[in-house]
Amino acid sequence: GAVVSQHPSWVICKSGTSVKIECRSLDFQATTMFWYRQFPKQSLMLMATSNEGSKATYEQGVEKDKFLINHASLTLSTLTVTSAHPEDSSFYICSASSQTSGNTIYFGEGSWLTVV
Amino acid sequence: GESVGLHLPTLSVQEGDNSIINCAYSNSASDYFIWYKQESGKGPQFIIDIRSNMDKRQGQRVTVLLNKTVKHLSLQIAATQPGDSAVYFCAELPRGGKLIFGQGTELSVKP
Repeated sequence: GAVVSQHPSWVICKSGTSVKIECRSLDFQATTMFWYRQFPKQSLMLMATSNEGSKATYEQGVEKDKFLINHASLTLSTLTVTSAHPEDSSFYICSASSQTSGNTIYFGEGSWLTVV
Repeated sequence: GESVGLHLPTLSVQEGDNSIINCAYSNSASDYFIWYKQESGKGPQFIIDIRSNMDKRQGQRVTVLLNKTVKHLSLQIAATQPGDSAVYFCAELPRGGKLIFGQGTELSVKP
């Protein structure tokens, strides 16, 4: 079946540095991918919608200059956390929908970011 | 609506019992609903879905019930097993909109 892959699964970075997280649809094309953020014991909060070939759409309260999203191809979206701070430490999850599978939504396995 | 920063409610059941997890959704325009299971440190895993033109759908050991009148969704797990221990989220999808997750419920199965 369709698979969405995220990389890295976990990353530790120093405060002030930037870190990139990749989201790939492995066997289908996704014109739209979604990025979520999840804190421990909480639900998934939609951060932004990543659109292939155009600018991402950010949810209210999400800083677009802080969380850069690039969707350069139909199988890859990247989320870059710029100038990371400890409060950015979280679980980041992406999803993509497959039109060939009736718009079924598939989720990646998530990426743990720890900023020290 | 959007989930807020609350701690997850928990449900503890005995192995072999049936579990019922409830969810209230907010958008009457939502016409597609999904239940996800999330194990610790992993992404959400699809369990079962239901469209608004249905009020019940059954899968393997799971049943989803939809009550549009009161905007309520439930997930029933039959013969709950230790491997069912996880956090369960309902999600609603308004037509042409974005998937919105509910608060989530942590299911703990006692052997």
